[in-house]
Amino acid sequence: EAGVTQFPSHSVIEKGQTVTLRCDPISGHDNLYWYRRVMGKEIKFLLHFVKESKQDESGMPNNRFLAERTGGTYSTLKVQPAELEDSGVYFCASSQEATRGIQYFGAGTRLSVL
Amino acid sequence: AQSVTQLGSHVSVSEGALVLLRCNYSSSVPPYLFWYVQYPNQGLQLLLKYTSAATLVKGINGFEAEFKKSETSFHLTKPSAHMSDAAEYFCAVRPPSNTGKLIFGQGTTLQVKP
Repeated sequence: EAGVTQFPSHSVIEKGQTVTLRCDPISGHDNLYWYRRVMGKEIKFLLHFVKESKQDESGMPNNRFLAERTGGTYSTLKVQPAELEDSGVYFCASSQEATRGIQYFGAGTRLSVL
Repeated sequence: AQSVTQLGSHVSVSEGALVLLRCNYSSSVPPYLFWYVQYPNQGLQLLLKYTSAATLVKGINGFEAEFKKSETSFHLTKPSAHMSDAAEYFCAVRPPSNTGKLIFGQGTTLQVKP
């Protein structure tokens, strides 16, 4: 069974450009999470989908970030326009249950904003 | 707010020596606790989890962790380090609420010397 996959693995863009990150969760997992790790800091929660609905988006930094999960399958995270401080590694995770399920993580997308 | 503290961003041990990675959490109610490991260019992999059953939890690759409520700690140990244990280790908590988000510590990089 395929794990959580993320595309691209690395993205380098200039300040002001737009970038879209994609996450494909494990098949059958209704819960999908986005996290971010800025260099030197801890991994921080961004948001949580249950199927196509946003259950918790308390970690989203600002309105330059837009997450979608149309159809309750894969998810995208768009940053528009990107700023220097958006650089970091973006992780996606999925789980069968929210409160008791194990979260399985993808390898992450490393975003570099120059 | 919940927080997780990992003492020591870098830990170095000799092959065959005891591994001890420290994790303390702040919570008035015991949360679910996790240890994840990240090998280079891979996603986070679950090592073990505590979900209010046995206080001594055994995980994969010979690791174990003990939940100590009185000390609000969940330290990770392995009796004998192997070169393949070199990686970054993350302690995480899931607050006892209805959301599924994880709160991570800053991570500890384990170096194993021959």
